[in-house]
Amino acid sequence: DIQMTQSPSSLSTSVGDRVTITCRASQSVSSYLNWYQQKPGKAPKVLIYATSSLQSGVPSRFSGSGSGTDFTLTISNLQPEDFATYYCHQSYRKPNTFGQGTKLEIK
Amino acid sequence: EVQLVQSGAEVKKAGESLKISCKVSGYSFIRYWIGWVRQMPGKGLEWMGIINPGDSDTRYNPSFQGQVTISVDKSITTAFLQWSSLKASDTAMYYCARGEITFDYWGQGTLVTVSS
Repeated sequence: DIQMTQSPSSLSTSVGDRVTITCRASQSVSSYLNWYQQKPGKAPKVLIYATSSLQSGVPSRFSGSGSGTDFTLTISNLQPEDFATYYCHQSYRKPNTFGQGTKLEIK
Repeated sequence: EVQLVQSGAEVKKAGESLKISCKVSGYSFIRYWIGWVRQMPGKGLEWMGIINPGDSDTRYNPSFQGQVTISVDKSITTAFLQWSSLKASDTAMYYCARGEITFDYWGQGTLVTVSS
């Protein structure tokens, strides 16, 4: 299976900050990399698909980049509603795999 | 409006069987794969498998193969996840989600609690 490793696992940050979360794959996943946001007690929600495409309705402060094995999710001008857990997801090979998650906390 | 509505929370005993459902509406059921994702208490997301509702082609995560069965009933646009003999370690939230490459719509989740 392809292992997905996110860093950091948690991050204490403030409203207005710029945040970068990284996701590294154990082998190339081409551009088959998605990012999801999950709030407590809720289902995940897709933010970015195919590495850098913004899902409809998602604010433009979210962006994604990368290719191959190294990917990043950037949130600029962090808003109160962005404090959540973020997961990367590779869909290049089955079984698909998720990163372990990155929890954004308010400083 | 695309909706995936999952069946309600379940409390079961180890050894019992269970089938949970994911009712789809708002799009052509057979056009998109449906996947299942497990989230154990306080843990991350695990991809269990996906099914093509058009022909029931199913791909399992080897970690779940033989432990669960994924199926669909096209006549009622519903996907299912079932266990023949639950274990305490099956206690988790289970989500269904639409898509093969990207999960773009998700159900609200079904909490399964298994007591030993």
